Amino acid sequence: AQSVAQPEDQVNVAEGNPLTVKCTYSVSGNPYLFWYVQYPNRGLQFLLKYITGDNLVKGSYGFEAEFNKSQTSFHLKKPSALVSDSALYFCAVRDQPGNTGKLIFGQGTTLQVKP
Amino acid sequence: EAQVTQNPRYLITVTGKKLTVTCSQNMNHEYMSWYRQDPGLGLRQIYYSMNVEVTDKGDVPEGYKVSRKEKRNFPLILESPSPNQTSLYFCASSQLRQSDEQFFGPGTRLTVL
Repeated sequence: AQSVAQPEDQVNVAEGNPLTVKCTYSVSGNPYLFWYVQYPNRGLQFLLKYITGDNLVKGSYGFEAEFNKSQTSFHLKKPSALVSDSALYFCAVRDQPGNTGKLIFGQGTTLQVKP
Repeated sequence: EAQVTQNPRYLITVTGKKLTVTCSQNMNHEYMSWYRQDPGLGLRQIYYSMNVEVTDKGDVPEGYKVSRKEKRNFPLILESPSPNQTSLYFCASSQLRQSDEQFFGPGTRLTVL
């Protein structure tokens, strides 16, 4: 069965420092991977996705993610964190080969960026 | 503006009182889905729909119903709400391709007393 794990409940980083939010996955077949961000009292916003091709994917707000097939990881990164990046981040994989269209989510990681 | 809307945003109700949470999208998406978000569990799919009049169960469908009479609307119905349905609910829509990202509504926070 497909699954996604985000091993850290919370990540703390100082403003201006690089940040990494970790995600590992387990799928059968080629993975379709996504990162979403949820700000307080808001819905989930799409950040980026990996479908195929270049292992380094660039997304919104300066975020990028690195797909590593051998380590089955899809870590979210940003070179220089902003206080406004503080939010809840979800990694997700599309359910395959089933045709439910379902996104399977990790449990979420709270990112706290301190001034 | 392309968006998914949900109403109401907040709802407090009592056990057994039927309620409906509406969801509407203006992007002409075929696929729509309902998720619930609970602390430590991420989001779990309740029901989904591939097209008008086509709906199917997700991972946690018990106690919920849906309908898809029009392409843009996908209401979530709780016939007899119970306290374990207290949660944050999200509607999402997308094109049908597996590679397409889903667009989420702002969420509905439901409390069942």
